[in-house]
Amino acid sequence: DTAVSQTPKYLVTQMGNDKSIKCEQNLGHDTMYWYKQDSKKFLKIMFSYNNKELIINETVPNRFSPKSPDKAHLNLHINSLELGDSAVYFCASSSQPGTSGVEQFFGPGTRLTVL
Amino acid sequence: AQSVTQLGSHVSVSEGALVLLRCNYSSSVPPYLFWYVQYPNQGLQLLLKYTSAATLVKGINGFEAEFKKSETSFHLTKPSAHMSDAAEYFCAVSDRPSNTGKLIFGQGTTLQVKP
Repeated sequence: DTAVSQTPKYLVTQMGNDKSIKCEQNLGHDTMYWYKQDSKKFLKIMFSYNNKELIINETVPNRFSPKSPDKAHLNLHINSLELGDSAVYFCASSSQPGTSGVEQFFGPGTRLTVL
Repeated sequence: AQSVTQLGSHVSVSEGALVLLRCNYSSSVPPYLFWYVQYPNQGLQLLLKYTSAATLVKGINGFEAEFKKSETSFHLTKPSAHMSDAAEYFCAVSDRPSNTGKLIFGQGTTLQVKP
């Protein structure tokens, strides 16, 4: 069974459209994350939810809105897509973060291309 | 604020040669440090982590890293490279003061293994 899954794997769309990326984890973790990997492979955190509560919001444009219906799911909705949104988006999960330096488990990524 | 710097965006070694990937960190508190590997078109996988226990950390696939506080370094090594080690490697530091689980990644190092 896949621990952290994302759909779709590839997403090609036009500027101005609205799209969603779904993420699910079956590890029983409390915390989920969204990362963006740009064309130079630089990874940066966007959001994090802990038990459905937003705990990290890294100065991401308001066009990006995470939604966590339950602690196993964290979806990413993007409004009015722009060319600069083209990237690979990774979902990750971990057990309760704290002082133990817990491992984050990553999904396979969603490659978003905005034309 | 925490940060990591990976020296060398691209490292090329021959199969069977020593692998050395460099990572230096900056942290106001004792850091938690991680090395992740990303194989082509896949998500990230944890190789190893340092969380203030033994300074020499052994990970998967024969990799190890040594935490050196005096040098603020956490370099990744493997005695003998295999073709299957060709991938992107990321050093990361945990944002400990906030304890949100946020990871701050370095720029990544592409490892090429020549036959």
